Amino acid sequence: EAQVTQNPRYLITVTGKKLTVTCSQNMNHEYMSWYRQDPGLGLRQIYYSMNVEVTDKGDVPEGYKVSRKEKRNFPLILESPSPNQTSLYFCASSLSSFTGGADTQYFGPGTRLTVL
Amino acid sequence: EDQVTQSPEALRLQEGESSSLNCSYTVSGLRGLFWYRQDPGKGPEFLFTLYSAGEEKEKERLKATLTKKESFLHITAPKPEDSATYLCAVQESGGSNYKLTFGKGTLLTVNP
Repeated sequence: EAQVTQNPRYLITVTGKKLTVTCSQNMNHEYMSWYRQDPGLGLRQIYYSMNVEVTDKGDVPEGYKVSRKEKRNFPLILESPSPNQTSLYFCASSLSSFTGGADTQYFGPGTRLTVL
Repeated sequence: EDQVTQSPEALRLQEGESSSLNCSYTVSGLRGLFWYRQDPGKGPEFLFTLYSAGEEKEKERLKATLTKKESFLHITAPKPEDSATYLCAVQESGGSNYKLTFGKGTLLTVNP
């Protein structure tokens, strides 16, 4: 089954304790992205990757890191989490970033993160 | 100023009562407009992609249309299982980031 998976689905942690949220897709997609969703603010892009070893900042990158060492995986790293990073996080992927046309993104199930 | 505005914020319908959701956008160039459905605690589920003004797409009780400045999601004879938050997103043309800019969504409740 074609899908985007994320782990963990739920995480409660404390301020400053490094964590990683994993994202994997089995569709051979080139483009991957992370979004966070907050009440009243909607979904906002954190980082994106056009292909292996190619990543760039989205609209709200502060406090986050990413890496893309393999095509299927795009982990999100919070090196020193703070309470304002409490949010619902989604990973998304799409087929190609080189077509020039609209590119449909498919989303993972989400990771609910609470930073105390 | 928001680039994507959805209205209404919430809509309550009786089963079988048809209605429309609106999505207005202000981008200089549109690569695509997307509609997603989101159930509580779950990831957005893709519904439609619209590329150019005049385009229409249908899926079961849903029909999406696009003009130069807005899109409508028409729901015909809704059922309780259509209850969800409907998200509209735009993808701007140009550049290398296929970022989706989302509206805040319309929470649809369909009562039996």
